Amino acid sequence: GENVEQHPSTLSVQEGDSAVIKCTYSDSASNYFPWYKQELGKRPQLIIDIRSNVGEKKDQRIAVTLNKTAKHFSLHITETQPEDSAVYFCAASRTTGKLIFGQGTTLQVKP
Amino acid sequence: EAGVVQSPRYKIIEKKQPVAFWCNPISGHNTLYWYRQNLGQGPELLIRYENEEAVDDSQLPKDRFSAERLKGVDSTLKIQPAELGDSAVYLCASSLAGNSPLHFGNGTRLTVT
Repeated sequence: GENVEQHPSTLSVQEGDSAVIKCTYSDSASNYFPWYKQELGKRPQLIIDIRSNVGEKKDQRIAVTLNKTAKHFSLHITETQPEDSAVYFCAASRTTGKLIFGQGTTLQVKP
Repeated sequence: EAGVVQSPRYKIIEKKQPVAFWCNPISGHNTLYWYRQNLGQGPELLIRYENEEAVDDSQLPKDRFSAERLKGVDSTLKIQPAELGDSAVYLCASSLAGNSPLHFGNGTRLTVT
């Protein structure tokens, strides 16, 4: 069935360093790939998304890349700050809108 | 704009008791989702509505879970009877249409004792 694998499960970086989180999806018909940030006890919030007709998208310190051939997509955060510490989830869906989420990556940014 | 509103925020019940969660989506959002999030895991879809029609309920344990979205606006998710394994955060989300960005509510944290 549909599946999204996310790695690593935990990631610790020094403030100012970059962080990369990778996801692999199984459904080749997937065409929408959002990333959500969830702080402890709070709702998941959309931080960036990409559609299959685009290979890369940037928004300030955040970027997402997509390799449809390999069915991989990645989140890149540059110049990390302590407030970037949270759990990050990738997800994938077809046109139907059924979002399948990865297991999450706990990012810790050390001051 | 007002976000997705869920109530209650927390619920503690004994096993075998019934429980209900309520969700009011963002105004104008036709698609409504109920997700369940277990501790340390990603959200898992339970049911998805397009207006008042449930278009995907394949992951909903229908022996004990039910949902409704009367008039295509707010929605209720019910569990009867609750089991210990139902302890989780139940998230409601809405979007303008399928494959549009999802906006989540704050969730209901259910504890079954």
